[in-house]
Amino acid sequence: GEDVEQSLFLSVREGDSSVINCTYTDSSSTYLYWYKQEPGAGLQLLTYIFSNMDMKQDQRLTVLLNKKDKHLSLRIADTQTGDSAIYFCAETHTNAGKSTFGDGTTLTVKP
Amino acid sequence: DTEVTQTPKHLVMGMTNKKSLKCEQHMGHRAMYWYKQKAKKPPELMFVYSYEKLSINESVPSRFSPECPNSSLLNLHLHALQPEDSALYLCASSLGLAGQSEQFFGPGTRLTVL
Repeated sequence: GEDVEQSLFLSVREGDSSVINCTYTDSSSTYLYWYKQEPGAGLQLLTYIFSNMDMKQDQRLTVLLNKKDKHLSLRIADTQTGDSAIYFCAETHTNAGKSTFGDGTTLTVKP
Repeated sequence: DTEVTQTPKHLVMGMTNKKSLKCEQHMGHRAMYWYKQKAKKPPELMFVYSYEKLSINESVPSRFSPECPNSSLLNLHLHALQPEDSALYLCASSLGLAGQSEQFFGPGTRLTVL
């Protein structure tokens, strides 16, 4: 079955880059997502990548996909205190109708 | 309009109450979802509606009853809940089924069952 794994915690200093990693097992994944969740809030879709892409950049965010190793990463450049949140990786595959989420990585940004 | 809205934001109910959660989107999305999320855990899928028909029920207890009156609205009717049902309930929508298009989430309803 599908499985998505993330490291649980990451702590960085303000201004540094953050890299959050995710591995998945379903080789038929089509969409891979990154969501941000702040305390008490819903999930905010940050970015996504199609499984036929290697990289996607959107302002401070860079997503890298290694399909061979089933490894996905989210790099946040110039991390700010407002980036402190839980980041969820999720994957879906065609016609599955549902996403499988990782357990989330809690990013703490220290001033 | 590019968002999913949910009401109420907070709900406190007793175990004998009947209440409903509401979700609305006007993006023309044809798939809508209910998720349950416990604190510091990932969302767990409960139900998927595709073209107003229930397509996935993840073995959810019958005290949760979904309803999709039209393509823009999704309800979750609650009856005889247990304290362990207290959680953040998230609604989401997508143009097609997840796996074909990106999924957008609402802010959630925080439910407390006393």
